[in-house]
Amino acid sequence: KAGVTQTPRYLIKTRGQQVTLSCSPISGHRSVSWYQQTPGQGLQFLFEYFSETQRNKGNFPGRFSGRQFSNSRSEMNVSTLELGDSALYLCASSLVGETEQFFGPGTRLTVL
Amino acid sequence: QQPVQSPQAVILREGEDAVINCSSSKALYSVHWYRQKHGEAPVFLMILLKGGEQKGHDKISASFNEKKQQSSLYLTASQLSYSGTYFCGTEILDNYGQNFVFGPGTRLSVLP
Repeated sequence: KAGVTQTPRYLIKTRGQQVTLSCSPISGHRSVSWYQQTPGQGLQFLFEYFSETQRNKGNFPGRFSGRQFSNSRSEMNVSTLELGDSALYLCASSLVGETEQFFGPGTRLTVL
Repeated sequence: QQPVQSPQAVILREGEDAVINCSSSKALYSVHWYRQKHGEAPVFLMILLKGGEQKGHDKISASFNEKKQQSSLYLTASQLSYSGTYFCGTEILDNYGQNFVFGPGTRLSVLP
């Protein structure tokens, strides 16, 4: 069974630009969650999508948005990038509800 | 609100035991434990869903004390492969809705 895949793995952008990250969950998983990981703030929850609907959202500005497609693949978009957005962005998929999350390898975003 | 983990870091020799604690000021309805090795994505260890529940596999086990709003992860006869950062996580309901929060992590180093 293929794991969670994320593309691209690495990305360098400049301030003010926007970026789109992609996540393909494990086959059969309908829930996709996104996390931002930084040395200072640790792992922080961004949002969760289930059946193309945003189910939960963390404490992040509106510049961070996402969506989920009918095949459960998800994209995350960050507009007007700031230096502080430099981080490892992880997506995780799970079946539903209180189940384990399977993490992808992450996308390392660097904002210059 | 983020769970609190203790200790922040621990260094062990192979074969020694360790306990990592996770506590919250808010009610804990479930506790997830993950391990992240350097440069890799977090990997699921176990979920505890009910107060009093204990789980384990190999020499890693965990308990969940719902009344005390805390969980503990026990690593017995540690192996080199146990090195990594251990995170506890839980679902919370806050001003932004329901989201999943991780503790700051406990860095475990097992030396030969």
